Amino acid sequence: DSGVTQTPKHLITATGQRVTLRCSPRSGDLSVYWYQQSLDQGLQFLIQYYNGEERAKGNILERFSAQQFPDLHSELNLSSLELGDSALYFCASGFSTYNEQFFGPGTRLTVL
Amino acid sequence: SQQGEEDPQALSIQEGENATMNCSYKTSINNLQWYRQNSGRGLVHLILIRSNEREKHSGRLRVTLDTSKKSSSLLITASRAADTASYFCATGNNQGGKLIFGQGTELSVKP
Repeated sequence: DSGVTQTPKHLITATGQRVTLRCSPRSGDLSVYWYQQSLDQGLQFLIQYYNGEERAKGNILERFSAQQFPDLHSELNLSSLELGDSALYFCASGFSTYNEQFFGPGTRLTVL
Repeated sequence: SQQGEEDPQALSIQEGENATMNCSYKTSINNLQWYRQNSGRGLVHLILIRSNEREKHSGRLRVTLDTSKKSSSLLITASRAADTASYFCATGNNQGGKLIFGQGTELSVKP
C-alpha cells in the first residue's frame, strides 16, 4: 500500500458524459501527478500540481482538467468522453518535484 | 512519446535465477525510477537513482546508471515466483516532475 488513495476503483459511463476522479496523496506529500495508462499509448503523464498550483503539463486533452485543493487532494475531470478515453488513470504523489513518485491503485474508466 | 525503451520486452526464468532488465533513454535526465506492476494493478515504486549516481541497491535489487550511454539496468537476484510482473523504467528531467515511461519488460518467474 503506497498510501495514495484513489476513488472510484472502477467507472463505467457512456460517450459524451463527464466524470470526476479523486486522489488523496500520501501524508506530507505536496506534489500530485496524474497519468493515463492504455494498451496503445502506454503510461502517459497528464499533469502535475504542487501545493495547489499547476507545475507541469503533459499530453492532457483540452476536455480534461484537474485541480488540487487546499487539503492537497486532487481531482481529474474528464468531459465529453470518447471511447478512446477508456484507460487506467493513476494518481501519484511525492514530497517534491524531483523525488520518488508513489502511485495509487488507479481508476479503471470504461466508456461505452 | 516514449523516452525509455526496455529490453527485453519479455523475460522468462526459473526461480532462483537472476533477472536483468535494461532501459535506454534519449535525453538528459535528473533521475531514473524503476517500478513494478502486477497485471492491471497499481505501480509499486522500487528504486530511484539520480543522474550523479552510478549504482544503488535495495534488498535483492541492484540498479546501475550509465549517463554516457543513456542506459540503466535493473538486476533482481535470486528471483521468486512473486517477482512475476511488468517492470518499467521512468525518467525525470530538470523541467518539472513529469516522468516518461518505457513500454516495460514482462518478467515471468517459473517455480
